[in-house]
Parts: sequence; structure tokens; C-alpha cells
Amino acid sequence: DAGVIQSPRHEVTEMGQEVTLRCKPISGHDYLFWYRQTMMRGLELLIYFNNNVPIDDSGMPEDRFSAKMPNASFSTLKIQPSEPRDSAVYFCASSLVAGSIEAFFGQGTRLTVV
Amino acid sequence: GQQLNQSPQSMFIQEGEDVSMNCTSSSIFNTWLWYKQEPGEGPVLLIALYKAGELTSNGRLTAQFGITRKDSFLNISASIPSDVGIYFCAGSLSNSGYALNFGKGTSLLVTP
Repeated sequence: DAGVIQSPRHEVTEMGQEVTLRCKPISGHDYLFWYRQTMMRGLELLIYFNNNVPIDDSGMPEDRFSAKMPNASFSTLKIQPSEPRDSAVYFCASSLVAGSIEAFFGQGTRLTVV
Repeated sequence: GQQLNQSPQSMFIQEGEDVSMNCTSSSIFNTWLWYKQEPGEGPVLLIALYKAGELTSNGRLTAQFGITRKDSFLNISASIPSDVGIYFCAGSLSNSGYALNFGKGTSLLVTP
């Protein structure tokens, strides 16, 4: 069974541009999480969904960040406009069912904003 | 989110040595997880702990859920070069739904 699939693996963009990161969770998983990883702050939870519904977006840093999950097999994290301080590795993770918080991570998208 | 304090920050050991790292929180957690991350990859789940006092092994790895529910440790016995990576503890607060809080990680280097 394929794991969590993220695309692109690497993204380099200019400041001010819109960036869209994509995630396909493991089939059958009810929960989807977006994390950001930086050297300074480690792994930070940005937002998570249950059955495609956003449950907690308190970790989203600014209004420039938005996330959607239009169906059970796809989610996007969008940054508009992007800034250099958004440079980080963004991970998507999913977990199976309620009561299990064993999250499985994708390989991440390394975003560089210049 | 709740910050976890993970120590040590880094370890540099020789192949064959045992390794111990731990994680503490000021809040009570109801679940502890340990992940390993290798360069360019996402974190991979190693061990999950669900009960205070629980001791669980996965090959050469052993982890325990502290009795106070505010700490956990991970031991690696007879380390090998492929153990190199960053080890993260993660916990879930009883009232935070299913969101994980992560420690800053312990970077492990193993020399042959």
C-alpha cells in the first residue's frame, strides 16, 4: 500500500508568488495533518482535518496560509503571497481512525522562497 | 501547542554502544510516540505507548511511558551505523483531540 504522497518534493519560488503544496493521504485514513519543520521551531502542527473537515487551524501562522480537503484522497496547503520566512519543509501526515493518533508522514515538500 | 523537552540534543557514539534519550512535558500526556527521521525523509513511527508505565520493544529499541505520564524514554541497544538520524518524541494531550506535539529531536551520529 502506498504511503502518504506529497508533491512537489522541492519548490523554489520568488517572494510574492502563490505556492500550492499537495497531499494524498493513505487510503482509508480519516485524519490528515499538515506540519511545518524548521531548524528553529522544529515540527509545528499547522492544521488538521477529520473526514475532510478542518478541526483545528490554530497553528496556521497567518491569513496567507490556507488549506483545503475537497475529498478524502486529496488536500492542499496554499501560501499566498509567499515570503522568505515561509521557507521550510512541509509535511503531510494521516492517521487511520478515531482513537489512533499514530500518524504516518509523507516525504515532505522542501519550500524555498527567494 | 504544548512544547516537549527532549534531551540530549545530539549524541555522537561508537557502533555497539547503547543509547538513551528522553522527553519530558509539564503537562500530562495520554499517548507517547517515538519517530525517527533520516535526511530528506519524513518521520517514521518507531514505537507507540498508550499506558502509564508501559514498556514496549521493537527490535533493539525499547521505550517506556513514564508513570507520571509526563515523560518517556527511548533506548537503543548495540547501535549500528544505520541508526543515524534524528529521533523525535511526540505526545498527545488528553484534551487536544488527535494532534501531536513534537519535541525538538535528538540527533544521533554513530561511527563505525
